[in-house]
Amino acid sequence: DIQMTQSPSSLSASVGDRVTITCRASQSISSYSNWYQQKPGKAPKLLIYAASSLQSGVPSRFSGSGSGTDFALTISSLQPEDFATYYCQQSYSTPWTFGQGTKVEIK
Amino acid sequence: EVQLVESGGGLVQPGGSLRLSCAASGFTFSTYSMNWVRQAPGKGLEWVSYISGSSDTIYYADSVKGRFTISRDNAKNSLYLQMNSLRAEDTAVYYCARASFYGDGRFDYWGQGTLVTVSS
Repeated sequence: DIQMTQSPSSLSASVGDRVTITCRASQSISSYSNWYQQKPGKAPKLLIYAASSLQSGVPSRFSGSGSGTDFALTISSLQPEDFATYYCQQSYSTPWTFGQGTKVEIK
Repeated sequence: EVQLVESGGGLVQPGGSLRLSCAASGFTFSTYSMNWVRQAPGKGLEWVSYISGSSDTIYYADSVKGRFTISRDNAKNSLYLQMNSLRAEDTAVYYCARASFYGDGRFDYWGQGTLVTVSS
């Protein structure tokens, strides 16, 4: 199985900050990396697919980058509604696997 | 508007069975593959199972293989997960998630989830 390792596990940031979360795959997954946002008690929401494509309806302050084994999700200017947990996912091969999550908290 | 509504969760004893359902609307259900993804309390996301639109391709996570069965009824726009021989470690919120039409493994819409608790 492909392991997805996210870092950091949590971070504290202020509104307006630029935030970057990274994800490393245990083997090359080309660009088959996706990012989700989850708020407490809610279902995950797709933000980024194919490493860098923005899902329809997602604000442009979210962006994704990377290929091979190293990927990143960047929020260019953190907004109050962005405080949540973020997960990366590999869709290169089954079993599809997720990172352990990164909780973004208010500083 | 795409909607996915899960039901069927509840409290079940270890070794028991439960059947989850997911009612889909707002899209042509038969043309999309579907998945079940679960999340144990306070933990991360774990993919459980996949079924293609025509049910000809099915995958399971090793953790549930041989105990869970995924199925769908395209006439009823419904997805199911039959869970047998339940264990405490199966306790989780179970989400149904639509697979992208492009077959790239992303989950583009999710239901609100249904909680399964396995406990005596």
